[in-house]
Amino acid sequence: EAGVTQSPTHLIKTRGQQVTLRCSPISGHTSVYWYQQALGLGLQFLLWYDEGEERNRGNFPPRFSGRQFPNYSSELNVNALELEDSALYLCASSPSGGTHGYTFGSGTRLTVV
Amino acid sequence: GQNIDQPTEMTATEGAIVQINCTYQTSGFNGLFWYQQHAGEAPTFLSYNVLDGLEEKGRFSSFLSRSKGYSYLLLKELQMKDSASYLCALGGSKSTFGDGTTLTVKP
Repeated sequence: EAGVTQSPTHLIKTRGQQVTLRCSPISGHTSVYWYQQALGLGLQFLLWYDEGEERNRGNFPPRFSGRQFPNYSSELNVNALELEDSALYLCASSPSGGTHGYTFGSGTRLTVV
Repeated sequence: GQNIDQPTEMTATEGAIVQINCTYQTSGFNGLFWYQQHAGEAPTFLSYNVLDGLEEKGRFSSFLSRSKGYSYLLLKELQMKDSASYLCALGGSKSTFGDGTTLTVKP
């Protein structure tokens, strides 16, 4: 069974640019979660999608947005990149929202210069 | 809101037992999770507690006391490969993670 896949694995962007990160959940999982993990810090909740709808978002500015497609894959978009957006962005999926352990992808390492 | 506290670092010896504590505050409880994260890798799910008591899974056990807002992860027969960060996380729509406890296992 394929795990959670994320692309790209690494990305370098310039301040002010926009970026799109992609995530494919485990087959049968309808919930997708996005987390930001800055170097040496904990996981910060960004967004939760379930059945194509945004169910909740963390304390991040509106330039962080995303969507979930009918096949349950998801995109995270970050506009007007800032240096402090440099982090590992992790996607996780679960069979349903909030009551099962998550399976994480390997993440996308974003560097903003 | 949700809040989680766990120690930043712990050190233990190979073959020993270590207990990693986690205290939490939450307005609505939807279970408590433990994850393991090796440096540079994604977290992997270890355990889930929703009822009070001890859940055992091989060398790893996790305990929950909902009335005390307290959980611990117990690792037995420590191996060098257990050196990692251990994350306590609350279930729910925002699934808050603690900052993690970095465990170093020494020979």
